Amino acid sequence: EPEVTQTPSHQVTQMGQEVILRCVPISNHLYFYWYRQILGQKVEFLVSFYNNEISEKSEIFDDQFSVERPDGSNFTLKIRSTKLEDSAMYFCASSALRQEAFFGQGTRLTVV
Amino acid sequence: AQSVAQPEDQVNVAEGNPLTVKCTYSVSGNPYLFWYVQYPNRGLQFLLKYITGDNLVKGSYGFEAEFNKSQTSFHLKKPSALVSDSALYFCAVRDIGGNNRLAFGKGNQVVVIP
Repeated sequence: EPEVTQTPSHQVTQMGQEVILRCVPISNHLYFYWYRQILGQKVEFLVSFYNNEISEKSEIFDDQFSVERPDGSNFTLKIRSTKLEDSAMYFCASSALRQEAFFGQGTRLTVV
Repeated sequence: AQSVAQPEDQVNVAEGNPLTVKCTYSVSGNPYLFWYVQYPNRGLQFLLKYITGDNLVKGSYGFEAEFNKSQTSFHLKKPSALVSDSALYFCAVRDIGGNNRLAFGKGNQVVVIP
């Protein structure tokens, strides 16, 4: 069964450092997303991406965040200068048009 | 903007008893509704969805949910709970006429007691 894969599973970084979280969406999906879940809190939308551009972003997704689809398979989330409050589980997801989103296993980001 | 409310923090149920996890939603137009389950240290796993048609939808692992437009609810149900159903359950909604953004509820921890 096709699945969304994310790497790494856990990333520890120092405050102020840049991190790149990687995702391989399901191959025939056209819509890609990043969500995050701070420990003990709800899952929050960050950004959606379609046709090689951002289609929507939340107020969380400020100038420190960026997304890219560098090739035909990968979808990345970059945080330019990490803050302590960026510590969370980051989920990548993909979907077909107007269908359910399939989520990856997540990357646990710990900023120290 | 769309939103979801899951009023209970934790649902405790004895194994073999019916399980209900409550969800109410708010959207400006017609909703797409979803349930996801999260096991410890795992991602979100899709359970079922309502797009259109029959208000009662059936999903994975014996779960079902009923769409009630007048009450703006989409409660998740299972006739006979298993210990392995213990997990975190999230309800989510998307506006049909809008973007693809999913709005999630805060989640309900389900504990099935042997």
